[in-house]
Amino acid sequence: KAGVTQTPRYLIKTRGQQVTLSCSPISGHRSVSWYQQTPGQGLQFLFEYFSETQRNKGNFPGRFSGRQFSNSRSEMNVSTLELGDSALYLCASGRPGTNTEAFFGQGTRLTVV
Amino acid sequence: AQKVTQAQTEISVVEKEDVTLDCVYETRDTTYYLFWYKQPPSGELVFLIRRNSFDEQNEISGRYSWNFQKSTSSFNFTITASQVVDSAVYFCALSEARDNYGQNFVFGPGTRLSVLP
Repeated sequence: KAGVTQTPRYLIKTRGQQVTLSCSPISGHRSVSWYQQTPGQGLQFLFEYFSETQRNKGNFPGRFSGRQFSNSRSEMNVSTLELGDSALYLCASGRPGTNTEAFFGQGTRLTVV
Repeated sequence: AQKVTQAQTEISVVEKEDVTLDCVYETRDTTYYLFWYKQPPSGELVFLIRRNSFDEQNEISGRYSWNFQKSTSSFNFTITASQVVDSAVYFCALSEARDNYGQNFVFGPGTRLSVLP
C-alpha cells in the first residue's frame, strides 16, 4: 500500500512569489492535514480537510490556504512568500474517525531566498 | 489551551542502554488522545502509538514501552536495549476529541535521541 506522497520534495522560491504544494493521501484515507516544521517553532498545525471541506485551521495568516479534491488529494498554497516561510511542510492522512493516528509523508522542503 | 512539553532536548546513550523520553501535557478536556511519533533523518513522521485518556494501561511493543499517568499528565516512552537505528527525533503529541476528524495535533518540541555504537 503506497504511503502519503508529497510533491515536490524540494523547492526554492524567491520572496514575494507564490507556491503550491501537493499531497496524495493513502488510498482510502479521506482526511488530510498539513503541518509546518521549523527549527524555531517546531511542528505547527496549518489546516485539516475532510470531504473537500476545511474542518480546522491553525494560527497562520491568510497567505496560507489549501483545498482538497474529490479524490482526497490536497494542495496547499502560500502567496507572497516571506523568508520566514522557509520550512519543511508535512502532509498527513488518516482514516475517518475520532482522533485516529495520522500517517505522514516525507514532506516538501521549501526554501525562500 | 493545549500544550505538550518534552523537557529533554537531546539525549545520547550507548547502544544497549535503556532510555526514557519524557512527555508532559496540558489540556482542559476530559477526553483526549496522546501519540508518539519518530522522525528519522529522512523527514517523515512515523507513527508509534496512540492512547486515549480513558486507557491508562501501560503498553509494551517489543523494545518499546509507554507509561501513561493521568495523575501527573505524563506519557513517557522507554526504549529498552537501544540500537543505533533508534537514533531519531521523537515527538509526543496531543489531540482533543472536540471534533470528529481529529488530525489536528499539538506536538511537543521533540527529543533528539542519539544512540552511539
